[in-house]
Amino acid sequence: DTEVTQTPKHLVMGMTNKKSLKCEQHMGHRAMYWYKQKAKKPPELMFVYSYEKLSINESVPSRFSPECPNSSLLNLHLHALQPEDSALYLCASSQGVIRGPYEQYFGPGTRLTVT
Amino acid sequence: EDQVTQSPEALRLQEGESSSLNCSYTVSGLRGLFWYRQDPGKGPEFLFTLYSAGEEKEKERLKATLTKKESFLHITAPKPEDSATYLCAVQASGGSYIPTFGRGTSLIVHP
Repeated sequence: DTEVTQTPKHLVMGMTNKKSLKCEQHMGHRAMYWYKQKAKKPPELMFVYSYEKLSINESVPSRFSPECPNSSLLNLHLHALQPEDSALYLCASSQGVIRGPYEQYFGPGTRLTVT
Repeated sequence: EDQVTQSPEALRLQEGESSSLNCSYTVSGLRGLFWYRQDPGKGPEFLFTLYSAGEEKEKERLKATLTKKESFLHITAPKPEDSATYLCAVQASGGSYIPTFGRGTSLIVHP
């Protein structure tokens, strides 16, 4: 099974709301990623977790807060977002990060709209 | 800095009209090159990993090849269901171990 699941599929939130995106994989992968993707652009890396520890934060604003409760789950907590944060948020996982190469398996994404 | 350039940006084909997509890269050393397919509003779907120059991989109507400077994704006798954006990503052996994505090629196959 090479499935990565994400919930919710769609999310509309106001600029003062707090919401969370969830991601789950059961492939035994030890690396998990959050990406942001705007229309007609490639995925843009936000965070990388390796063995449940945050290993990369690509200078993402603090209104995005990642969390990795265990090796199968990844959350992205959202607070005080701006309209320009509207995008498709993708979760991905891979066997590892160091060495490799390791292909990434992506979830279907959460379409986020900030009003 | 690692760079990945895909061309063309967009490609329109008639059903059955074979063609190739290009991914050229500049990295300090190649650990692996990946091809993904992405349908609108969905996450990328992994297709292939290529490790070294001369390597080829096939899946249905798709064949990926790799040289020291570029990779090609050959599409033979495409069908409308092959319409998607095809993304190339490169993982370098030095520096960041996170793959660098190209901007993708948007493929439309007309019936």
